[in-house]
Amino acid sequence: KAGVTQTPRYLIKTRGQQVTLSCSPISGHRSVSWYQQTPGQGLQFLFEYFSETQRNKGNFPGRFSGRQFSNSRSEMNVSTLELGDSALYLCASSSTGTGDTQYFGPGTRLTVL
Amino acid sequence: KNEVEQSPQNLTAQEGEFITINCSYSVGISALHWLQQHPGGGIVSLFMLSSGKKKHGRLIATINIQEKHSSLHITASHPRDSAVYICAYTPNTGNQFYFGTGTSLTVIP
Repeated sequence: KAGVTQTPRYLIKTRGQQVTLSCSPISGHRSVSWYQQTPGQGLQFLFEYFSETQRNKGNFPGRFSGRQFSNSRSEMNVSTLELGDSALYLCASSSTGTGDTQYFGPGTRLTVL
Repeated sequence: KNEVEQSPQNLTAQEGEFITINCSYSVGISALHWLQQHPGGGIVSLFMLSSGKKKHGRLIATINIQEKHSSLHITASHPRDSAVYICAYTPNTGNQFYFGTGTSLTVIP
């Protein structure tokens, strides 16, 4: 089975722009979670989608949004980019349920100038 | 206060040493996870624990639910074990992870 894929792998944007990141989960996985990793804050939970519904949301401003499609692929969007949004954005997929093992993608490295 | 505390933050060991990384949490959890992150960002799930002990090769993970504490042990450490080890929990609802700050391990030949 193919692993979790994320596109693009690297992205450079300027302040005020918006960005869309994509995540394709492992085939058959219905849960996709998104995380932000920065040197200062470490790994933080953004949101989790299950069967096209946002099931849980972390403590991030409304500029961060996401969605999940019927094929379980997920996108996250960040509008009005700020310098502090520079981070590694990771998605992870799991089959279902609660407390499952999650399989992480390689991440998208976003740099905001 | 972070709900997940890890210690130590940094660890340097000689090849062959026995290594222990500790994780304490303060909330009710569905499961406790140990993850490994190599330079470049890729994260690999090592263990998922809800009770007891698990072993995979030279890695052993234990959890004490009553004490809200988990440990990751590496026996006969090797330079290829150099990485950041992160503990994380999933709450009683949902699949999302909440992470500790990580332990950066360097194993010297």
